[in-house]
Amino acid sequence: DGGITQSPKYLFRKEGQNVTLSCEQNLNHDAMYWYRQDPGQGLRLIYYSQIVNDFQKGDIAEGYSVSREKKESFPLTVTSAQKNPTAFYLCASSIGGLTGELFFGEGSRLTVL
Amino acid sequence: AQSVTQPDIHITVSEGASLELRCNYSYGATPYLFWYVQSPGQGLQLLLKYFSGDTLVQGIKGFEAEFKRSQSSFNLRKPSVHWSDAAEYFCAVKQTSYDKVIFGPGTSLSVIP
Repeated sequence: DGGITQSPKYLFRKEGQNVTLSCEQNLNHDAMYWYRQDPGQGLRLIYYSQIVNDFQKGDIAEGYSVSREKKESFPLTVTSAQKNPTAFYLCASSIGGLTGELFFGEGSRLTVL
Repeated sequence: AQSVTQPDIHITVSEGASLELRCNYSYGATPYLFWYVQSPGQGLQLLLKYFSGDTLVQGIKGFEAEFKRSQSSFNLRKPSVHWSDAAEYFCAVKQTSYDKVIFGPGTSLSVIP
């Protein structure tokens, strides 16, 4: 079945450590996105990529980094520079363009101890 | 700046009752509008979308939404709510450039048996 796979589902990290969240899609979508979700704040865009080897900062990119070396993969690294990394992270993809809706993975919950 | 508001943070309805979730947006051009639903600890699923044409759009799970340009609104409705509809609902607007989707803060729906 086509879809988006995020891993790990739960992740614990100590302060000062970098952590990478995986996002893989087999929908052949051009565009991919990372959102952060905090209670009562909805979804905030971290980074997005419309094409391989290209990506743009979203609204809250500080303390995060991404890469897009392959069409199907868009990993997110939460660096030690992110001051409050505990959150639910959602990866999404779309066919791109104006009418393409987002397809979401099941999310990764990161907890900083 | 483009924004999406959902005035109701939390709504409680009885099973079988009708439902209306409000969404307002601020955007100068013709918007592309979406409603998504999220079950606890899961990703988001598209309920319906509006791009153009008939202002009343039908979605999955018996939901519908009406686009009112004069009110900058895109309210979600369901004639009879089921207990399984309890979830978080997000309204979203897509910018016509850079393929970005902006989400509202969400409305949490509880259903009383």
